[in-house]
Formats: sequence, C-alpha cells, structure tokens
Amino acid sequence: KQEVTQIPAALSVPEGENLVLNCSFTDSAIYNLQWFRQDPGKGLTSLLLIQSSQREQTSGRLNASLDKSSGRSTLYIAASQPGDSATYLCAVRRNNNDMRFGAGTRLTVKP
Amino acid sequence: GAGVSQTPSNKVTEKGKYVELRCDPISGHTALYWYRQSLGQGPEFLIYFQGTGAADDSGLPNDRFFAVRPEGSVSTLKIQRTERGDSAVYLCASSPVIGTGYTFGSGTRLTVV
Repeated sequence: KQEVTQIPAALSVPEGENLVLNCSFTDSAIYNLQWFRQDPGKGLTSLLLIQSSQREQTSGRLNASLDKSSGRSTLYIAASQPGDSATYLCAVRRNNNDMRFGAGTRLTVKP
Repeated sequence: GAGVSQTPSNKVTEKGKYVELRCDPISGHTALYWYRQSLGQGPEFLIYFQGTGAADDSGLPNDRFFAVRPEGSVSTLKIQRTERGDSAVYLCASSPVIGTGYTFGSGTRLTVV
C-alpha cells in the first residue's frame, strides 16, 4: 500500500526566505507526482505535475524535484511571500490511476 | 464549464438522513474522481470513473456510499443513513485522460448533526 508522508507538518518563515517542503512515498512504482496548494476552506489548486520519467518541474518561484528510486520529492519556494501562506499537498498517482495524498504542510509566511 | 463545479458548497443534515452531492466536471474530461477530506488530513480516495463506469470503487468506506455517472459527465455521490463520522469535505476532480493532472472542485462541506 502506498504511504505518502510530508515533513514538516507546519512551517513558519519570515517573508523573503527560500524554503523546502518534503514529500516521501513508500512505493516507487508511480505514474506521476503532483503538488497542490489548498487555502483554508477551499479546494485544491494544482501547482506542478512531474511525470515519473522527469526529474523536476519549474513554475515561477516554484521548483519541484522527483527522485523515484529514493521515494522522495521536494517543493522549493524561492523568495517566499505572505500570499504563499497555505497548505501544500503532495499526491502520488499509482499506475492503477488513483492518487494518494500526504497530510500536507501548513505554511505561514510572516510579513 | 471553465472548472469543476460542486454543489451544494455546504450541506447540513441530520443523522440518519440521505444526501446527494453533485459534481459537474470540466467539459470533455472522461475521468472523474471523488475524494473525502477530514480536518487536518489529506484527501482520501473514494471512487474513480472512466466514462460512465466506476473503474475503481475500492475507497468507498461501506455500502452506505454509492456514486453514479449515468451519462459520463455529471456525477452524484449518494450517502444513505448518514452518520456523524461522515462529516468531511467531499472533493471532486476530473482529468482529460489517464495520466494527466487533476483539476479539483471547491468541495462540498458535509456536516451531519
């Protein structure tokens, strides 16, 4: 059974800092991995999708990496802003198509 | 439509009642997924449709939960004899084909009192 773990559970940083969120998964036979952002009381917004054959994806200040063999992904946020405050969820899609989510990292960026 | 639409956005029901939650996916998306999210947790897979058929319903917690997608577009998640433990946010997502990223709706917050 695929288990997805996100560390840390919560993170508070001052504005302007670069930061890294971690995601680990137990079964390396994945189809792709997706990072989402969730604001309180809202649905999920897709940030980056990494196919299993890829090593990283970048979008603006965000960079996500994938190391299938070690079962790890990181989400790097450069020059953090208060508007980045949200919960960040990692989701791993298995070859049978369903996705397994981590519990998320709750990020607070202080002005 | 432009995005995945879920109605109602909030639903309060009494224990033992029947509820229906609706999901209207992005037009043309053949794959549709239902997830349940409890407070402080990541979404938990319930069921996945490819077209009209349920390709994987292994996440449905028990036989009180049922979902349909009769015409391959709109889906309804049905919960019979609701229990307080069913209280959660129910999320729907769709994707164009297998292997591409999901687009999520804003969810239905179900509260069973």
